[in-house]
Amino acid sequence: GQNIDQPTEMTATEGAIVQINCTYQTSGFNGLFWYQQHAGEAPTFLSYNVLDGLEEKGRFSSFLSRSKGYSYLLLKELQMKDSASYLCAVKGTSGTYKYIFGTGTRLKVLA
Amino acid sequence: GAVVSQHPSWVICKSGTSVKIECRSLDFQATTMFWYRQFPKQSLMLMATSNEGSKATYEQGVEKDKFLINHASLTLSTLTVTSAHPEDSSFYICSARQVTEALRGQYFGPGTRLTVT
Repeated sequence: GQNIDQPTEMTATEGAIVQINCTYQTSGFNGLFWYQQHAGEAPTFLSYNVLDGLEEKGRFSSFLSRSKGYSYLLLKELQMKDSASYLCAVKGTSGTYKYIFGTGTRLKVLA
Repeated sequence: GAVVSQHPSWVICKSGTSVKIECRSLDFQATTMFWYRQFPKQSLMLMATSNEGSKATYEQGVEKDKFLINHASLTLSTLTVTSAHPEDSSFYICSARQVTEALRGQYFGPGTRLTVT
């Protein structure tokens, strides 16, 4: 079966660092995406990993280990506006372009 | 950047009526569009994959006769919820894949909130 797991909720303090984990078991793998979604809005792209390692983009970084079926999104210098849901999505078997989304992690940033 | 629009952004309809939601790629051609449904505090659930000029591919458990999808052009896909019921109330989001897919993945529309009374 296909399964992508994330913690349901996390809470962190403004200015802190938070790591959101994602583990996946899918029939194929052609890349992993992280999206941010504010309530009532569409997801917006944050990062993409297809090879093992860390991708850094400003305050956000994403890590991938294909052998472990594991990724994390690291948010530094948290701001109140970072309060949102963070969705991990795996692009499956090539040719279909389907994404399988994780359950999403609701992050609450406290002052 | 690539922009995807949806119309309407929200709609309220009576039980038993049909509702059509449009998804447009504004500045690129999208051979493939996807339709998702999202219930409150839950993640996106893929309903179907819409390919231009061919029949949509539905995910298991999604009724093709209830959720009609048409992808008549490279910039437009429509989802029609037929004989809507209150349990169909949800946030419907489309996304589009660019022909020359960038590493940004799919581009999402702003979503349509459907409320069936």
